[in-house]
Amino acid sequence: KNEVEQSPQNLTAQEGEFITINCSYSVGISALHWLQQHPGGGIVSLFMLSSGKKKHGRLIATINIQEKHSSLHITASHPRDSAVYICAVRETSGSRLTFGEGTQLTVNP
Amino acid sequence: NAGVTQTPKFRVLKTGQSMTLLCAQDMNHEYMYWYRQDPGMGLRLIHYSVGEGTTAKGEVPDGYNVSRLKKQNFLLGLESAAPSQTSVYFCASSYEWAQPQHFGDGTRLSIL
Repeated sequence: KNEVEQSPQNLTAQEGEFITINCSYSVGISALHWLQQHPGGGIVSLFMLSSGKKKHGRLIATINIQEKHSSLHITASHPRDSAVYICAVRETSGSRLTFGEGTQLTVNP
Repeated sequence: NAGVTQTPKFRVLKTGQSMTLLCAQDMNHEYMYWYRQDPGMGLRLIHYSVGEGTTAKGEVPDGYNVSRLKKQNFLLGLESAAPSQTSVYFCASSYEWAQPQHFGDGTRLSIL
């Protein structure tokens, strides 16, 4: 079992829909990261959080430490949101980041 | 502000050939990382550096060597390329170990 599990693996939505991507992990963590990988391959860090919720524009990230679960929400989705979204965790030991496999999101106009 | 720049972007090698991937960052970051990305797997750390002149092994270091002679550059070397090293390689940097990492655009490497 991977330490970081993302669901769904693939997600297709229509423009304007509310989108949720889930990340579950099995270890104690000090922080969780959400990243976006563009179709061209570049990777951008979206959020780093250790508790509660963070919001940036139409993106919202939440984390429940007790349940070892995080969600990334996209409101009013747009085709430009089409990308792979990656969850990564850093264990409380402070070791390296462990990455999920990613969720491929496609938003159709 | 270029951020993290990787060269080359694409390369095809024959088994047994050697090559060096270059990563350069202009953000004065202490920490630099090399990852590989393979289908069906998350990014995996190959080697990393916590400062100029230092390097350390990551999760999958075998078959790779690295050097950090200058703070802004982190080189990844393949001494004798193998087909199993066909992958997309990403370099990243961060100001501190626990801070978000800034990634390059990746190098797509195919080994025949």
